[in-house]
Parts: sequence; structure tokens; C-alpha cells
Amino acid sequence: AQSVSQHNHHVILSEAASLELGCNYSYGGTVNLFWYVQYPGQHLQLLLKYFSGDPLVKGIKGFEAEFIKSKFSFNLRKPSVQWSDTAEYFCAVNQRGTYKYIFGTGTRLKVLA
Amino acid sequence: DAGITQSPRHKVTETGTPVTLRCHQTENHRYMYWYRQDPGHGLRLIHYSYGVKDTDKGEVSDGYSVSRSKTEDFLLTLESATSSQTSVYFCAISESPGVGYTFGSGTRLTVV
Repeated sequence: AQSVSQHNHHVILSEAASLELGCNYSYGGTVNLFWYVQYPGQHLQLLLKYFSGDPLVKGIKGFEAEFIKSKFSFNLRKPSVQWSDTAEYFCAVNQRGTYKYIFGTGTRLKVLA
Repeated sequence: DAGITQSPRHKVTETGTPVTLRCHQTENHRYMYWYRQDPGHGLRLIHYSYGVKDTDKGEVSDGYSVSRSKTEDFLLTLESATSSQTSVYFCAISESPGVGYTFGSGTRLTVV
């Protein structure tokens, strides 16, 4: 069965530290890839997405992600985190041509001021 | 996000009672989804719809049914609520499968 793995369940960083959250998926076909963010008490919002082309994707709020096809990975990065980035981050994979998305279990990020 | 609303926002119900959650959209998107969010499980797909009266099961559909009689409304029904269905339920919409979702604000359901 297809799956999405987010290996870091909880991450704690100080402000200005660099961030990298891992996402790996198991599916051999063509995929669309997404990162969503959920701030405390809120719904999920789209951070960035990859469909094709440049594997380095830039999203909102200074986030970026790199698609490495050979590693089935789509890691999220930010050079310098802020306290306001405290949230839960979800990676999601859509198997192209299907209606369904598979979400990872999420990574809770806490940024210390 | 504008264009998608869920009701109710919070509900407490007793075991064995039927419960219906409503998702309403004003975006005229074809695709609608119901997810549940639980700690340690992330989001799991319950049911989805790819058009009026066209629905299909997701990975955790047991105990749930859905209906979509018009484009803007997607209803999720728990026929006989159980404590294991205590969760936060999110509705999502999409104009096409690959472009990403817009999520509603969620319904926090507690079954006692």
C-alpha cells in the first residue's frame, strides 16, 4: 500500500535556526507533492506544491521544498525559522490521475523565542 | 478559508446516536473530501466525492456514509456513533485532483 512517512514527529528549534523536515513516500508512479501547515487551533493551509519541472519549489513564508525522485523524498526547508512558524506540518502525496491524497502523520514544530 | 464552511463546529453526542456533519462550499469545485484527524495518525480519508451523487470510500470508511445531492453540499453521517469516532473532522474541496485542497475549519466531535 502507498504510504507517506514523516520521520520527525516533534522538532524543537530556536529562532533563526534552519529547518529541514523529512518526507518520503512509497509509490512508483507519477505524483503530485504538497506540504500543508496547521497552526494551533486552525485548519490546514497549503504551503507549497510540486507538479513538475524545477524540483526546487518555493512556497509561502520563506519555505521551500526539494523533490528528489530517486529518493522518493520531498523535504521541507526554511533557512531561518521564526516563533510564528510553530505549527504542525503535513506532507501529502497525490498519485497522479487519482482523486486521493495520502497524508503523512505530521511533524510538530515548536520554535523557541 | 472563504468558500468552505463546516457545521457544526463542535458537537457532543451519545454513543449509538446518528450524527450528520455538513460541508458547504461556494467555489463550485467538483471534488469534495471528508477526513478525520487523530493524534499519531495524521489525516485519514473517510469518503470523497467526484461529482453530484458520485462518491467513493476512503481508507477509514467503516461506520460512515456520505451524500452529495448538489454540488455545494457534502454530508457525512455517522449512523450510530461510537467513542472511536471521537475526532476532528475536516472537509476539503478541490477543483481538480492534482492542484491541492482547500480545507474547512473542522468539526470537533466528541462521542460520550
